[in-house]
Amino acid sequence: GEDVEQSLFLSVREGDSSVINCTYTDSSSTYLYWYKQEPGAGLQLLTYIFSNMDMKQDQRLTVLLNKKDKHLSLRIADTQTGDSAIYFCAERDAGNMLTFGGGTRLMVKP
Amino acid sequence: DADVTQTPRNRITKTGKRIMLECSQTKGHDRMYWYRQDPGLGLRLIYYSFDVKDINKGEISDGYSVSRQAQAKFSLSLESAIPNQTALYFCATSDQREGRDTQYFGPGTRLTVL
Repeated sequence: GEDVEQSLFLSVREGDSSVINCTYTDSSSTYLYWYKQEPGAGLQLLTYIFSNMDMKQDQRLTVLLNKKDKHLSLRIADTQTGDSAIYFCAERDAGNMLTFGGGTRLMVKP
Repeated sequence: DADVTQTPRNRITKTGKRIMLECSQTKGHDRMYWYRQDPGLGLRLIYYSFDVKDINKGEISDGYSVSRQAQAKFSLSLESAIPNQTALYFCATSDQREGRDTQYFGPGTRLTVL
């Protein structure tokens, strides 16, 4: 089956930028998503990018997509302690099903 | 998302017991999904349904069954629970009329099987 990989952990200082990376194997991906999960909560959609785009910016969030390398990243500018959470990338295949990465735990130190 | 609710939120049960997890949505979406989350493994799809008459197995359906009682309700059953089914379970919905078919998640049910 298709695979989505993320690093497990990222630690940054408050005010710095965070970059969370994701790689995937499905060459037929249509959309790619970033979800945020806070402790004890479900997954909240943060942002998405269509597969024919290479960048999308939404306030403090910047998504970069390198389709050739099948690499997706999420940059959070001016990271705050409230950004501490687990971040999941997911790719949607041609059959409209999502495959999730294992999640990256972001820890923001004051 | 408050439009997708799950009950119960937490459940502890014993091996061999039958358990049902409920999901309801007020979003009017036609598609519903059940996932389980295990640490470091992300979310894995158990079952999905694209409308009331449609039920499909996901990646890890063994040991589970589902029922789509109405467009707004999708329940997940563990006929005879076993300890390795201890996990966080999420229900999600999406609307195929929306081009992105974005999935919206409920708050999750934490299930512990002793």
